[in-house]
Amino acid sequence: GAGVSQSPSNKVTEKGKDVELRCDPISGHTALYWYRQSLGQGLEFLIYFQGNSAPDKSGLPSDRFSAERTGGSVSTLTIQRTQQEDSAVYLCASSLQGATQETQYFGPGTRLLVL
Amino acid sequence: EDKVVQSPLSLVVHEGDTVTLNCSYEVTNFRSLLWYKQEKKAPTFLFMLTSSGIEKKSGRLSSILDKKELFSILNITATQTGDSAVYLCAVVKTSGSRLTFGEGTQLTVNP
Repeated sequence: GAGVSQSPSNKVTEKGKDVELRCDPISGHTALYWYRQSLGQGLEFLIYFQGNSAPDKSGLPSDRFSAERTGGSVSTLTIQRTQQEDSAVYLCASSLQGATQETQYFGPGTRLLVL
Repeated sequence: EDKVVQSPLSLVVHEGDTVTLNCSYEVTNFRSLLWYKQEKKAPTFLFMLTSSGIEKKSGRLSSILDKKELFSILNITATQTGDSAVYLCAVVKTSGSRLTFGEGTQLTVNP
């Protein structure tokens, strides 16, 4: 079946512009996660959605970052007033329920470059 | 602060060699440890380990967890060039679902 999909694959933007990154989770998966992978670093947790519960936003690095998940499926990560340090690969993952024993499946990511 | 440390950070071997990748962790309320393989962008799931001392095996890959010494190893036998990738270790806590990742081990298998 279809896996997690993300768009765009690559995004180049100018410092100060806003960007939106999209994630389509695996059908039926109620839990959705966003991670960021900067050059030479491990994945860093950003935000987690589980069903209709309030999202866990504790990993968002600043108030320029926000995310929403409409209809319990597609999610959009928005970065306002982008900075060069925002350049990274943004990865989305989903899992069946979000319980700690559930495996997270990752999408191909969006490579963001802020000039 | 939760910490996941992988070693080595990079490794170059020849086809047919056996490799052992290490992952140690310092995490409160540990639940599970996961291994992923990342070739281009999307990490692909390899193993989830929750119980100590029980080896998980998939083909030439195997992994085991030691919850007393707080580490896991990932073994790859008879390596192939297609095993070249970054191998990521991550832990999940009982108190939440987020994964805390190590920096990864870059494995290069030369023909």
